[in-house]
Amino acid sequence: EVHLLESGGGLVKPGGSLRLSCAASGFTFKTSAMSWVRRAPGKGLEWVSAFSGSSPRTYYADSVKGRFTISRDDSQNTLYLHMSNLRADDSATYYCAKEGNYGDFDFWGQGTLVTVSS
Amino acid sequence: DIQMTQSPSTLSASVGDRVIITCRASQTISNWLAWYQQKPGKAPKKLIYKASSIEVGVPPRFRGSGSGTEFTLTIDGLQPDDVATYFCQQFYSYPGNFGPGTKVEI
Repeated sequence: EVHLLESGGGLVKPGGSLRLSCAASGFTFKTSAMSWVRRAPGKGLEWVSAFSGSSPRTYYADSVKGRFTISRDDSQNTLYLHMSNLRADDSATYYCAKEGNYGDFDFWGQGTLVTVSS
Repeated sequence: DIQMTQSPSTLSASVGDRVIITCRASQTISNWLAWYQQKPGKAPKKLIYKASSIEVGVPPRFRGSGSGTEFTLTIDGLQPDDVATYFCQQFYSYPGNFGPGTKVEI
């Protein structure tokens, strides 16, 4: 059974940094494309970043480019999101998601809440 | 980037009603579209992929259709358990943008 468990969220001041983790199990992590998606209170889903499964390519939404870095440790089946220079509008629940065969997201974690506030 | 829109933003219907949600893409995406259901406090759940293929385990009252730039999600016989926000997502190209969501109430 596929399982994704996010951690690392919390309260951080504007300009601060945070690292989110996503522990994966139940599938072949090293060949799977993975993404981070967020949902801010009262807003819709926003794709944030992706790491391809077949090659070390990364992708970022314009809203986080230059501030967030996605990485993965295939030996630990863990996906990371390093977030820096955080802003109030980065406050959201961050979800880790596994890409399916067609590029959609077939499995999601339960999310971790990030609050950026002074 | 491909932009996605949805209508309506909120929908109120009765148990047993047929509910239709529309999603439009700013350019053609063939059938590279998925629909997700998100209940309050829960993770999103995929319902439909490739515009009209239903995910295993999803009740058959959920139906997706469309291609190109216009798509619909139909719920045939709304149930209390269907109260949620529904999102479409294109995966024709990166970034895989989502629609703004449609909140379904009873």
